[in-house]
Amino acid sequence: DAKTTQPNSMESNEEEPVHLPCNHSTISGTDYIHWYRQLPSQGPEYVIHGLTSNVNNRMASLAIAEDRKSSTLILHRATLRDAAVYYCILRTITNFGNEKLTFGTGTRLTIIP
Amino acid sequence: EPEVTQTPSHQVTQMGQEVILRCVPISNHLYFYWYRQILGQKVEFLVSFYNNEISEKSEIFDDQFSVERPDGSNFTLKIRSTKLEDSAMYFCASSGPTGQPHADTQYFGPGTRLTVL
Repeated sequence: DAKTTQPNSMESNEEEPVHLPCNHSTISGTDYIHWYRQLPSQGPEYVIHGLTSNVNNRMASLAIAEDRKSSTLILHRATLRDAAVYYCILRTITNFGNEKLTFGTGTRLTIIP
Repeated sequence: EPEVTQTPSHQVTQMGQEVILRCVPISNHLYFYWYRQILGQKVEFLVSFYNNEISEKSEIFDDQFSVERPDGSNFTLKIRSTKLEDSAMYFCASSGPTGQPHADTQYFGPGTRLTVL
């Protein structure tokens, strides 16, 4: 699996936007960029994914660099409930479809009230 | 919203004993997974399961481990003879199909904390 690099930790004030970076310089053309998060004492939770274009959903936005070597997960208005470890994961999709997730150490996001 | 459930939430066992961890995946999903997370460490893939057979397994998933889908709803992970180092959170996940493989996100259960004494 192609490797991703994320900062170990970040802090943000409540109700402010948060930008979580991820570098994936060895990404291939068939790799999708997925983000999951793990709230304290819970299982991982899907956040968002994309291939080339920026993506928005109800949880977050994903901004993907033009060369696809990096991406940024954007939480538009962080709340205390967004405190979690955020994982940036590359998934190479084969015809078979389902692929294991390879988790790194992620970014531990702390929200300051 | 449908969710993956796991039982028990916490299992304590003696070293050498067999344990079975149970999962009920989301009902229309076809792909099933087990992951584990040792305290303070990364989430690690163990095994994936599709069409009643293992599709991929990691080097962690040795002969002591087995998986089964005994009926239409449950998906189980059995550890035949537990070791101290098997102590971890075990997460079950399920996915797809949506018809768009890249969109087959995995939905995780809350986990079972296994403690081997």
